[in-house]
Order: sequence, then structure tokens, then C-alpha cells
Amino acid sequence: QVRLQESGPGLVKPSETLALICNVSFYSIDNGLYWGWFRRPPGKGLEWIGSTYSGRTFYNPSLKSRLTISVDASNNQFSMRLTSVAAADAALYYCARGLDAYTYDSWGQGALVAVSS
Amino acid sequence: DIQMTQSPSSVSASIGDGVTITCRASQDINNWLAWYQLKPGKAPKLLISAAYRLQGGVPERFSGSGSGTDFNLIITGLQPEDFATYFCQQGHSFPLTFGGGTKVEI
Repeated sequence: QVRLQESGPGLVKPSETLALICNVSFYSIDNGLYWGWFRRPPGKGLEWIGSTYSGRTFYNPSLKSRLTISVDASNNQFSMRLTSVAAADAALYYCARGLDAYTYDSWGQGALVAVSS
Repeated sequence: DIQMTQSPSSVSASIGDGVTITCRASQDINNWLAWYQLKPGKAPKLLISAAYRLQGGVPERFSGSGSGTDFNLIITGLQPEDFATYFCQQGHSFPLTFGGGTKVEI
């Protein structure tokens, strides 16, 4: 069964770049599915950050100017980079596998990211 | 963006009770709707896709209904493991958007 695990810094300084990696196990990331990032700020709901599929990327317009999602097939990982972070970017970040553009059937447990100087 | 309005934001229930959670889309999304269950410290779980399609391994006490703009997640006979937060999500168009969540509490 596929397993996803997020990794990254627990704390990022304001204006710096947040980089997260999602390690995928027991399923090849090359197998033509969607791979996505989501987040949940404290006390708030879920937000879609963006996804990648077959070399294409799809970004939430609210984050697009600061966001890059990429795939490292050799390590069976995908990642996100969010530049110029602010307090509003503090959240529990999840990576997930999508069976199609919107049905995400397998998720990681989440990586908590705080933003503070 | 398509706005998803979910209600109630929280509901108190007992073991064995039935609960209905409603999700309304700001425009017609056909049946491009999924429901997820979230528990602290655990990976989110996909319960239902395409408005009514139960995912493998999800108990049949969970069901989904609706199309267009109005959708329901129905849980019959609540079990202890069902106390969690539930989110609807539309997949009709990017950006994917979620409802505000419903916390099902004892």
C-alpha cells in the first residue's frame, strides 16, 4: 500500500523560503497519477496548494507567484517550495496522491510548519 | 473560485446516532464532490468520491448523496472511531476548494 511522508523544517523565518519533500513508498511516482500538496492553518479548513501530473503543474492562484512544485523521480519524491513566507503560511502541510485531478486517496500524516523570527 | 459552504460547523452526537452533514457549492459542480475524514495526528482519509462512490474499506454506514450544488454526507449508527472532522471538496475546476469542515463530537 502506498505510503507518503512529508519532511521539512518545523520553523521558517518570515520572508524566507519553505521547502517540503514528500517521500513516496510502495508506489512509483512515475505511474501517471497526480501528486498534490495541501495545508491546514491552525483553527481553519483545508486549502489546496497545488498538484503535479505528468510533467505539468497546477497551482492555487493565491499562491502561484510564490510556489514551485517539482518531482524527483530518481528518489520517488516530490517537493514544494514556497517563497517569502509570512505568518499566514503557518500550517499543517500534507502531501497526497491523486487518482485524478481531484480525488486524493492517499495522504501523509502532515508536517507542521511554524513561521517565526 | 467555487465556494463550498458546509454545515453544521460542529455537531454533538452519541454512539449509535445518525448525522447528516451538508455541503453547498456556489455553482453547479455536477457530482464532482469528495468527502474526507480528518483525525488529529493521522493522515486524512478519503471516504467518498463522485458524490456517492464509497471508497474501498470505508464502512457502509457512510453514504453520500446529491448533485449540482447540494450534497450530503450521512453517517448512520455512529461508532467511536467516527468522531472526527469531515470536509467536502469540489473537483469541478481548479483551484480545488474545500468546505469549512464539520467536527463530529461526542
